[in-house]
Amino acid sequence: TQLLEQSPQFLSIQEGENLTVYCNSSSVFSSLQWYRQEPGEGPVLLVTVVTGGEVKKLKRLTFQFGDARKDSSLHITAAQPGDTGLYLCAGGAGGYQKVTFGIGTKLQVIP
Amino acid sequence: SQTIHQWPATLVQPVGSPLSLECTVEGTSNPNLYWYRQAAGRGLQLLFYSVGIGQISSEVPQNLSASRPQDRQFILSSKKLLLSDSGFYLCAWSRPGTNQPQHFGDGTRLSIL
Repeated sequence: TQLLEQSPQFLSIQEGENLTVYCNSSSVFSSLQWYRQEPGEGPVLLVTVVTGGEVKKLKRLTFQFGDARKDSSLHITAAQPGDTGLYLCAGGAGGYQKVTFGIGTKLQVIP
Repeated sequence: SQTIHQWPATLVQPVGSPLSLECTVEGTSNPNLYWYRQAAGRGLQLLFYSVGIGQISSEVPQNLSASRPQDRQFILSSKKLLLSDSGFYLCAWSRPGTNQPQHFGDGTRLSIL
């Protein structure tokens, strides 16, 4: 069974601070996705990374896929209250698109 | 563009009653379809997935069933709900092929009384 561990599970920071959240596994994934979910809504896809060492930027968010494709990080620069939410990582492996989800990091950005 | 619709948004049902949650996808053909349950602190649990009409794979033995009567329609059902069926249910779709991300509906909050 493939597992994805996310850390920290909870993070509360002040507006303007930087933060990094992590997604780790002992398994190799062919792709990894990051989602943001707000209460009462479905997860919204932020990014997909597929190549070891790949870095993608989405405005103030920087995503990195580990060289061995077992881990990933999400860095947010100058966090805003609108960044508040549950950040989920999901690893894909296998031909039928089954993915493994982490439990998530709950981020609160205080104005 | 592709869209996914899931309804109802919230549902309150008595124990022992039947259930039918519906999910439809627009703007794509032959999608892979998924049903998840999300519990606080436990992440997303895959319940069922489908790669085509009438093709359903169950991941967890339980009180629920799924059907795919049309290419872009996915239904989650139960004949008799249990208290433990309460939760947040999410439908998702992805394109066939490798490394295709899943896209989620807005979910259904199911409360069993």
